[in-house]
Amino acid sequence: KAGVTQTPRYLIKTRGQQVTLSCSPISGHRSVSWYQQTPGQGLQFLFEYFSETQRNKGNFPGRFSGRQFSNSRSEMNVSTLELGDSALYLCASSLGTGGPYSPLHFGNGTRLTVT
Amino acid sequence: QKEVEQNSGPLSVPEGAIASLNCTYSDRGSQSFFWYRQYSGKSPELIMFIYSNGDKEDGRFTAQLNKASQYVSLLIRDSQPSDSATYLCAVKSNAGNMLTFGGGTRLMVKP
Repeated sequence: KAGVTQTPRYLIKTRGQQVTLSCSPISGHRSVSWYQQTPGQGLQFLFEYFSETQRNKGNFPGRFSGRQFSNSRSEMNVSTLELGDSALYLCASSLGTGGPYSPLHFGNGTRLTVT
Repeated sequence: QKEVEQNSGPLSVPEGAIASLNCTYSDRGSQSFFWYRQYSGKSPELIMFIYSNGDKEDGRFTAQLNKASQYVSLLIRDSQPSDSATYLCAVKSNAGNMLTFGGGTRLMVKP
């Protein structure tokens, strides 16, 4: 079974630009979550999508947005990039059902550098 | 503020020893608990999850949960140099699929 696939692996952008990251979940998984990982703040939850609907949202500004398509693939968009947005962005998929017992499986991440 | 606390380490153990990694959490509504391993420059990899009080064993790994003390731990028996990584504790409440992560403990297994 293929794992979670994220593209691209690396991105370099300039302040003020916008960026779109893509995530394909494990086959059969309907929940896709996004996390930001930085050395200072660790892993922080951005949002979760389930059946094309945002189900949970973390404490990030509105510049961070996402969506999910009918095939469960998800995209994350960051507009008006700031230097502090430089981070590893991780996508995780899970079945999304079964209450709290459904583990998350992470993709390889997209390393975003903002200059 | 829901928090998950881990000692950042590094925790250094000799090869073949037992490594003990600990995690405390603040939200009593937490339902399930996960341990992820993250090698430098890589993404987190799920090792184990536990949701009932007590021990859960999988190969060289044992997860222990004590909800009354709000404490979860991971034991690694017969530690190998390849176990050297950062171990992340994550907690999920009953509300949705969101994980709250601790800052991670860096484990170093010396040959």
